[in-house]
Amino acid sequence: DGGITQSPKYLFRKEGQNVTLSCEQNLNHDAMYWYRQDPGQGLRLIYYSQIVNDFQKGDIAEGYSVSREKKESFPLTVTSAQKNPTAFYLCASSNLAGDLYNEQFFGPGTRLTVL
Amino acid sequence: AQSVTQLGSHVSVSEGALVLLRCNYSSSVPPYLFWYVQYPNQGLQLLLKYTTGATLVKGINGFEAEFKKSETSFHLTKPSAHMSDAAEYFCAVSEVTGGGNKLTFGTGTQLKVEL
Repeated sequence: DGGITQSPKYLFRKEGQNVTLSCEQNLNHDAMYWYRQDPGQGLRLIYYSQIVNDFQKGDIAEGYSVSREKKESFPLTVTSAQKNPTAFYLCASSNLAGDLYNEQFFGPGTRLTVL
Repeated sequence: AQSVTQLGSHVSVSEGALVLLRCNYSSSVPPYLFWYVQYPNQGLQLLLKYTTGATLVKGINGFEAEFKKSETSFHLTKPSAHMSDAAEYFCAVSEVTGGGNKLTFGTGTQLKVEL
């Protein structure tokens, strides 16, 4: 089955620690995205990538880093510089193919809690 | 920059009643609009999308939305609510960027369906 997988589903971290969230897709999509979701705030874009070895900051990139070494993988690192990292993190992908309106497909999410 | 406003963070309806979830957008160019649904602790699933052509768009699970350019609206409706419709709904607009297809989301509307 094609889709997006995120792991782990739940993640606990101590303050001051970096943590990496995994996102893998087997849809052969060009673009991948990371969003952060907080209650009452909708989804906010952290980083996105259109092609391998290239990515752009979204609206709330501070305290986060990403890499795109393979087309199917787009891991997100939450660093100790992120002031309030407790949130639900969603990964998505889309097939650009020159179309503006290609839908984004979402993974099941990772809930990160800082203890 | 484009933006989306969803009026009403919480909407409650009786089972069998009409569902109406409101979405207004701002855009300097013809928009591409989406409605997504999210069940608790899950990712987002596309309900429907408007690109060009017919302004009344039908989606999954009996939902539909009408694009009204004069009102800058894209409200989501369903004639008869079912208990399984209880979820959070997000409206989004697509934006062209140098990095690809970027979605801007509203803050979401939590739909509650009562017996």
